[in-house]
Amino acid sequence: QVQLQESGPGLVKPSQTLSLTCTVSGGSINNGGHYWSWIRQHPGKGLEWIGYIYYSGSTFYSPSLKSRLTMSVDTSKNQFSLKLSSVTAADTAVYYCAREGPTWYFDLWGRGTLVTVSS
Amino acid sequence: QSALTQPPSASGSPGQSVTISCTGTSSDVGGYEYVSWYQHHPGKAPQLIIYDVTKRPSGVPDRFSGSKSGNTASLTVSGLQAEDEADYYCNSYTGSNNSVVFGGGTKLTVL
Repeated sequence: QVQLQESGPGLVKPSQTLSLTCTVSGGSINNGGHYWSWIRQHPGKGLEWIGYIYYSGSTFYSPSLKSRLTMSVDTSKNQFSLKLSSVTAADTAVYYCAREGPTWYFDLWGRGTLVTVSS
Repeated sequence: QSALTQPPSASGSPGQSVTISCTGTSSDVGGYEYVSWYQHHPGKAPQLIIYDVTKRPSGVPDRFSGSKSGNTASLTVSGLQAEDEADYYCNSYTGSNNSVVFGGGTKLTVL
């Protein structure tokens, strides 16, 4: 059974870069039928799609975050990662990694990790 | 403010049916058959329960069903059970910026 697990610092200072990694277990990230996504949820708010990366390394980012985003994939470790630069308090959220299907649905999710931006 | 509008709360007694709406525009919900629904118990991973408006992933009970009319999609939970108490989110593809939009979520309470 495929499972996803987010990891990374829970506290990031303003203006610094938020870095998270998602480890995929029980299956290969090289599965060509899926994309590997990041989604976040601000405290008390709804969900926000951040973007996805394909196993080949091709990416697609949310237009609202594109200028600050970098995603990467390490197929040897079965991991994919997110870097969000120049963070502010508005980036405080629970960050989820998820597996995305071909018609914009997310069929597997991690449990999420809270990242707080604060000095 | 979320791009898709959901009621903040819904409730029903065990055995009853509840319908949760998800309203968007012709650029997202109304324009494509790409609406999905998720069940989220706090502290756990969200679970996909409906995709492509009406399809159920393997293992999801047929008590969960999806539909769409115009710019509004709906999730119906029939035969409510205590374990259905959770937050429910919808999402849709949006052609306005070739992206994904979510609803703000609905907290379902089983009375």
